[in-house]
Amino acid sequence: DTEVTQTPKHLVMGMTNKKSLKCEQHMGHRAMYWYKQKAKKPPELMFVYSYEKLSINESVPSRFSPECPNSSLLNLHLHALQPEDSALYLCASSHDRSSYEQYFGPGTRLTVT
Amino acid sequence: GENVEQHPSTLSVQEGDSAVIKCTYSDSASNYFPWYKQELGKGSQLIIDIRSNVGEKKDQRIAVTLNKTAKHFSLHITETQPEDSAVYFCPNAGGTSYGKLTFGQGTILTVHP
Repeated sequence: DTEVTQTPKHLVMGMTNKKSLKCEQHMGHRAMYWYKQKAKKPPELMFVYSYEKLSINESVPSRFSPECPNSSLLNLHLHALQPEDSALYLCASSHDRSSYEQYFGPGTRLTVT
Repeated sequence: GENVEQHPSTLSVQEGDSAVIKCTYSDSASNYFPWYKQELGKGSQLIIDIRSNVGEKKDQRIAVTLNKTAKHFSLHITETQPEDSAVYFCPNAGGTSYGKLTFGQGTILTVHP
């Protein structure tokens, strides 16, 4: 199984809502990533988890809160988002942080109203 | 540094023609050079990669060539097909960018039937 799954595929939320994005992989990878991708732009790294510990936070606003409950799951908790946070949120995983071969999920298309 | 420049930004070819995308990097310590393909509405997928101790790598219709002296590597797609239409990225990896992929603006490839 070389698949990274993400749920939901689409999410519409108001600025006062709290929601969560979920990512799952069963490849035994120990590094997991969250990226944000705006339309017609490249993916931008948000967070890196290595062995379930937060390794990199690319100065992401606190309204985005990542969580790695176990080696297969990665969550992104959303609270008090702004319309400009609307984007495609991509999850990826790799064998570990030293491996640059990342497997991407299909993404969650988030719209903040 | 982590700068990657990709050219062209858009490329339009007829089915069956070849397509070449070039990526220039600045980090002399970079030792891993991947190419990712992102189809509309999907996450990026690694399609081919090369390490600094190799000058060329081929996988069926796609190949990557590396010129470390000039600090550039290129993606070559032969006998293009409409399903090759996608955005192609050459993220900066390796060297001083340990554990991170930094995506450039990408190249939009359109293959006309």
